Amino acid sequence: NAGVTQTPKFRVLKTGQSMTLLCAQDMNHEYMYWYRQDPGMGLRLIHYSVGEGTTAKGEVPDGYNVSRLKKQNFLLGLESAAPSQTSVYFCASRPLGRGQETQYFGPGTRLLVL
Amino acid sequence: GESVGLHLPTLSVQEGDNSIINCAYSNSASDYFIWYKQESGKGPQFIIDIRSNMDKRQGQRVTVLLNKTVKHLSLQIAATQPGDSAVYFCAETLSGSARQLTFGSGTQLTVLP
Repeated sequence: NAGVTQTPKFRVLKTGQSMTLLCAQDMNHEYMYWYRQDPGMGLRLIHYSVGEGTTAKGEVPDGYNVSRLKKQNFLLGLESAAPSQTSVYFCASRPLGRGQETQYFGPGTRLLVL
Repeated sequence: GESVGLHLPTLSVQEGDNSIINCAYSNSASDYFIWYKQESGKGPQFIIDIRSNMDKRQGQRVTVLLNKTVKHLSLQIAATQPGDSAVYFCAETLSGSARQLTFGSGTQLTVLP
């Protein structure tokens, strides 16, 4: 049981380039989330999904798109990367149901946009 | 939106002493709170949680206290060990909106030998 995994671990992009970050979970969780963490700060929610085929905006969605084509995967896309998107990106998931509010996090993807 | 904040950005304690990390939250509608530990280069790791209908919850070496009157959370770590050195975040959430978490900025705990 790998939990939440993220690919890649580290990436360097030039301004204007695009990329996709992959999050995968093998716990059959309904909910999945993408966060970004900037130095010295807490995590901020970018987008989230309450189930396969559904996505919704979080606190800081601009410049990002997401897709949840399969229940176990949640993709985060940057169409045209900007230096302001340099950050560490974390994916999280949790199961459906009351008493299941805790989110489980992946190891993160470090992104540097030059 | 309202956010969770922390009183102290850094905390240093001697090994074996107890640690207390504080957190202030501002959304009185929040009904569930979580403490996470984040080690360098890793994702946040769940430590303990508490619901708004409780004022205290204990785990293994950790205790969370909730004071709804002043909207304050604290995390107490007993007999702090070197492995406890990390950044600690509190997070709040309320029912609805897929239980989005609002995080504080974190407290860096350093355990001194």
